[in-house]
Amino acid sequence: DTGVSQDPRHKITKRGQNVTFRCDPISEHNRLYWYRQTLGQGPEFLTYFQNEAQLEKSRLLSDRFSAERPKGSFSTLEIQRTEQGDSAMYLCASSLKDIYSPLHFGNGTRLTVT
Amino acid sequence: QKEVEQNSGPLSVPEGAIASLNCTYSDRGSQSFFWYRQYSGKSPELIMFIYSNGDKEDGRFTAQLNKASQYVSLLIRDSQPSDSATYLCAPGGSQGNLIFGKGTKLSVKP
Repeated sequence: DTGVSQDPRHKITKRGQNVTFRCDPISEHNRLYWYRQTLGQGPEFLTYFQNEAQLEKSRLLSDRFSAERPKGSFSTLEIQRTEQGDSAMYLCASSLKDIYSPLHFGNGTRLTVT
Repeated sequence: QKEVEQNSGPLSVPEGAIASLNCTYSDRGSQSFFWYRQYSGKSPELIMFIYSNGDKEDGRFTAQLNKASQYVSLLIRDSQPSDSATYLCAPGGSQGNLIFGKGTKLSVKP
């Protein structure tokens, strides 16, 4: 068990550019989650997958955000036309397929939009 | 809109005291409840989970759940300076996701 892996750890981009983050979950976990966290706030739910199916997406999430998990393994989160308000820590987590299984988090990708 | 409410703190307790952290939630469909600890600049890590009404103890930690009152709490006995962190309450949503509170910042003074 190597844990949840996220890449890159840090990303600095200019406003208007597109960015893509990758998450590799724990191998036997079929659920994968994306959260966003800003300073002083708890993690904000963005979306989650069960295998390759995207089961829920936050209604607060802008259309500039899209996530994929094409083969039910790794996932990517893309942000198009980044804005300064997108600056945050993006956390990926994975779990087994049941409501009693806890989430295991990766180390996160810190995005800074200048 | 599902909500999770926590006192943001900071909660300051002396070393060796009991720290009490509280959380209320709005989703009556929640069946599982998790407490995570997050050190500054780090990711959340699981410390406790509880599914049934009542108390669950694990070492110095005790989680308490009252589904009728939609209330969950975490007690930390014999608090240590290393317990200083932000504690996040996360009821499991009826749709399968976890909704986190803003967290309570705990400071344990030597």
